[in-house]
Amino acid sequence: DAGVTQSPTHLIKTRGQQVTLRCSPKSGHDTVSWYQQALGQGPQFIFQYYEEEERQRGNFPDRFSGHQFPNYSSELNVNALLLGDSALYLCASSPGQAREGSYNSPLHFGNGTRLTVT
Amino acid sequence: RKEVEQDPGPFNVPEGATVAFNCTYSNSASQSFFWYRQDCRKEPKLLMSVYSSGNEDGRFTAQLNRASQYISLLIRDSKLSDSATYLCVVNYWVGGYQKVTFGIGTKLQVIP
Repeated sequence: DAGVTQSPTHLIKTRGQQVTLRCSPKSGHDTVSWYQQALGQGPQFIFQYYEEEERQRGNFPDRFSGHQFPNYSSELNVNALLLGDSALYLCASSPGQAREGSYNSPLHFGNGTRLTVT
Repeated sequence: RKEVEQDPGPFNVPEGATVAFNCTYSNSASQSFFWYRQDCRKEPKLLMSVYSSGNEDGRFTAQLNRASQYISLLIRDSKLSDSATYLCVVNYWVGGYQKVTFGIGTKLQVIP
């Protein structure tokens, strides 16, 4: 049973460039969330995809965009990279949108992509 | 006020000690609670869910206090391998979707 997989593991980019990160959710999961974790901070929510649509978004600029494919995998795109975008980018999957009032399943994380912007 | 607050530590404790972390949350409608463990430069991994009645998993005990809006994690008989950052996670509903919020994490260092 494959867990959440992310690629690449590490990436070095220059200011102003664009980057695409990829994620395949755990088998049986159809909801993918992306998080940014700066050094010494907790993960910050970027956005969540379900049924190929962005369902929720955190406080991140439009430079951050994403996509979900029919096989539930997802991409995170960041344009016009800034030095402050350097962080660990985490993808997390969960088994579908729970109904309000029901127990929420925990997130399962991939190994992350460490992005360094120089 | 932050939605989820944790003391970042570090908590330096000797092997065999008992240590407890608290995490407070601001949204009284929060519904699901979790503790994650994160090793240095690695991804967070689910340690345990936190249930209303409290729950235990080996040396780890989690408690929820809805009245005071905090959850706690107790680690008994600390091992060197327990050294990590412990993240508190709180879920609540907004606009029909669950919002998952992480605390900053509490760093634990178990000393020989």
